[in-house]
Amino acid sequence: DAGVIQSPRHEVTEMGQEVTLRCKPISGHNSLFWYRQTMMRGLELLIYFNNNVPIDDSGMPEDRFSAKMPNASFSTLKIQPSEPRDSAVYFCASSTTSGTRETQYFGPGTRLLVL
Amino acid sequence: AQSVTQLDSQVPVFEEAPVELRCNYSSSVSVYLFWYVQYPNQGLQLLLKYLSGSTLVKGINGFEAEFTKSQTSFHLRKPSVHISDTAEYFCAVSETQGAQKLVFGQGTRLTINP
Repeated sequence: DAGVIQSPRHEVTEMGQEVTLRCKPISGHNSLFWYRQTMMRGLELLIYFNNNVPIDDSGMPEDRFSAKMPNASFSTLKIQPSEPRDSAVYFCASSTTSGTRETQYFGPGTRLLVL
Repeated sequence: AQSVTQLDSQVPVFEEAPVELRCNYSSSVSVYLFWYVQYPNQGLQLLLKYLSGSTLVKGINGFEAEFTKSQTSFHLRKPSVHISDTAEYFCAVSETQGAQKLVFGQGTRLTINP
């Protein structure tokens, strides 16, 4: 099993540019989660999907952030326009269900630096 | 809402020594509890979880944790650590009902010295 795949692994961009982060969940998993990790705020849940439908996006910082899951094997997190405070490591995780009884499997993360 | 406090941001220990990483949580409802480990430049990996039943939970890599409801704690222990245990450890909590979202602590960086 390839695990959760994220791309790119590293992204350096300039303020104001659009950034798109990609995630491929584990095959057969029905739930997908996007997290952000920063030194100041720790690990935060941004949004999660169940069966490709966004269930809870209350953690999305603001309208500059959007996430989509067009099919069961692909999700994107987009930041437009990006700002220096968006610099963080973004993790995608997947699980068989959205309930936390089931283990969430994390990808390696995308390290984003906005200059 | 739930919250998690990891009492130590860094814990240095010598190889083969025992270690305890402390975690306290706050919640007005019943909870599930988790410990995750993050090795350098990698994603998080589940070490163990408490869902119900026995309050002593055994996980991977020789780790175990004990849920103490009266003290709202879920401390992680290992009797003898190895260099390979050097990593950041995160305690997390979620409600058992309703919006089951993981809420993470700030993490404890475990450093093993030879």
